[in-house]
Amino acid sequence: ETLLTQSPDILSLSPGDRANISCRASQTVSITFLAWYQQKVGQTPRLLIYGASTRATGIPDRFIGIGSGTDFTLTINRVESEDFALYFCQQYGNSPLTFGQGTRLEIK
Amino acid sequence: QVQLEQSGAEVKGPGSSVKVSCRPSRVTFSTYSIAWVRQAPGQGLEWMGGVIPIYEKAHYALKFRTRLTITADRSTHTAYLELRGLTSEDTAIYYCARGILRGGDQQYYMDVWGNGTSVTVSS
Repeated sequence: ETLLTQSPDILSLSPGDRANISCRASQTVSITFLAWYQQKVGQTPRLLIYGASTRATGIPDRFIGIGSGTDFTLTINRVESEDFALYFCQQYGNSPLTFGQGTRLEIK
Repeated sequence: QVQLEQSGAEVKGPGSSVKVSCRPSRVTFSTYSIAWVRQAPGQGLEWMGGVIPIYEKAHYALKFRTRLTITADRSTHTAYLELRGLTSEDTAIYYCARGILRGGDQQYYMDVWGNGTSVTVSS
């Protein structure tokens, strides 16, 4: 099983800052099959990024995904108030598919 | 945009079973999976398994293989999750999600999510 470790667990920032969330895999993720999701309190997860770097429909361009192999990063440029939420990475290149433990982006 | 409509909240006793349904708002003929993902209170996301409705072919996470059955109705693409031998550790929100296949049956990301079904296991 491919273990995904996100860091940090909690990220405290102010609106306008840049957020960097890391997702490190215990083994190479095949074909950059990595996705990112956002989950706000009391809401269902929402797909942000798939294929490591492709934004899903309707996702603002301040959300940027990069990475390959075992190291992936979600960057949020100029964080807005609506971005404070939980973020999860998920790999689907290796069976079984797995999620990271989550990173909470909170207001500083 | 397709929506996924899940069945309502359940309260079950220890040792019992629960069955949750997930119905797409419209049927398409594309090949996709319906995945089941659960989230215990204050915890992260845990993938349980899924089914490809047009093939009625299910796949499971190893952890749940002995007590989980996932099925689908080929005509309506409604997916079902049945979990047996419930314990308090199964208390969670159970989400279904549409998996966009990229290669094998279990290679997918999830682009549309249901609203979740709360399952509480309590004596």
